[in-house]
Amino acid sequence: KAGVTQTPRYLIKTRGQQVTLSCSPISGHRSVSWYQQTPGQGLQFLFEYFSETQRNKGNFPGRFSGRQFSNSRSEMNVSTLELGDSALYLCASSLEGRATYEQYFGPGTRLTVT
Amino acid sequence: GENVEQHPSTLSVQEGDSAVIKCTYSDSASNYFPWYKQELGKGPQLIIDIRSNVGEKKDQRIAVTLNKTAKHFSLHITETQPEDSAVYFCAARTTGGGADGLTFGKGTHLIIQP
Repeated sequence: KAGVTQTPRYLIKTRGQQVTLSCSPISGHRSVSWYQQTPGQGLQFLFEYFSETQRNKGNFPGRFSGRQFSNSRSEMNVSTLELGDSALYLCASSLEGRATYEQYFGPGTRLTVT
Repeated sequence: GENVEQHPSTLSVQEGDSAVIKCTYSDSASNYFPWYKQELGKGPQLIIDIRSNVGEKKDQRIAVTLNKTAKHFSLHITETQPEDSAVYFCAARTTGGGADGLTFGKGTHLIIQP
């Protein structure tokens, strides 16, 4: 089975712009979670989608949003980019939207905000 | 919310020796504890996990132990090899009504000395 894929792998944006990142889960997986990874804060949970519905959201401002499509593919959007949004954005998929199912991560999208 | 602490932040061991990484968690309702390995330029890779109804789990050279009373869990790697060099993350998750995301430790940089 193909793993989790994320596009693009690298992105450079300017402050104030917005960005959309894409994630395709492992075939058959219905849950997609997004995480932000930075050297200072580590890995932090953004939100999780299951069956096109946001199940839960971490402590991030409303500039961070996401959605999931009927084929389980997911996108996340960051509006009005700030320098502090520079990070590796990781997507993880799991079979079901339950806490005890394994999550498998993609390679991430490296976002640089200048 | 959940808080996960991980020690040490850096661990250097001789090839062939054992390595132990320890984590503590704060939320007694957490019931799923995965460990991830992250190599440079890649996303985290799930290497082993344990659920709260189990005290120990092994997979070849890797084992994880869980002490629910003390709220800590550990990763044990035996007969370390150069390819074990990476950053290792522990995580905890709680089965809640909203399927919360994983809460990660800050990571341990494991260095295998030849």
